[in-house]
Amino acid sequence: KNQVEQSPQSLIILEGKNCTLQCNYTVSPFSNLRWYKQDTGRGPVSLTIMTFSENTKSNGRYTATLDADTKQSSLHITASQLSDSASYICVVSTQTGANNLFFGTGTRLTVIP
Amino acid sequence: NAGVMQNPRHLVRRRGQEARLRCSPMKGHSHVYWYRQLPEEGLKFMVYLQKENIIDESGMPKERFSAEFPKEGPSILRIQQVVRGDSAAYFCASSPFAGDAGNTIYFGEGSWLTVV
Repeated sequence: KNQVEQSPQSLIILEGKNCTLQCNYTVSPFSNLRWYKQDTGRGPVSLTIMTFSENTKSNGRYTATLDADTKQSSLHITASQLSDSASYICVVSTQTGANNLFFGTGTRLTVIP
Repeated sequence: NAGVMQNPRHLVRRRGQEARLRCSPMKGHSHVYWYRQLPEEGLKFMVYLQKENIIDESGMPKERFSAEFPKEGPSILRIQQVVRGDSAAYFCASSPFAGDAGNTIYFGEGSWLTVV
């Protein structure tokens, strides 16, 4: 069964601190893995996308890693800001096309001053 | 994602009524996808449409739900005889290509349906 599991479910950190969010998947065959940021009451916004051959991808203070052998990914957020408070969703694709996306339930991050 | 327009943003319906959710894709995008996000769950694919055609409806409930993307106008997700379990956020996404090519899939802001 194609599944995407994320941990922790929620996380609270102090402004300025770093954090790492985890994603494990059993989706097969694998095409790519994306991380999205979803603010409360808004739609998901893409942060990074990685294919099988990519181990790491950065987007500003966000760095995603991918281990296709162990089927694990992480999203590292550096020097957190209050505006980073959101849900971070790991999405794995089996094939090309947005009808083949499997979404995790997300990690709810709260950054406090 | 500001380019994908969904309306209404919030909709309240009584059990048994019909709900119509609209999605206007980004300019130049002819591929539209609908997803449903139930409380405390991840988004789940419902249907994929291209202008005037349903390409993949494997995620759509067999009854009461239908979708269209006419030649002119927005894509519409229609839910007939709504029940409380239909309460969810419904997201639309669009892309310019049939195949996913990097970050070419953009999500709308969602439509929150509440059935009372």
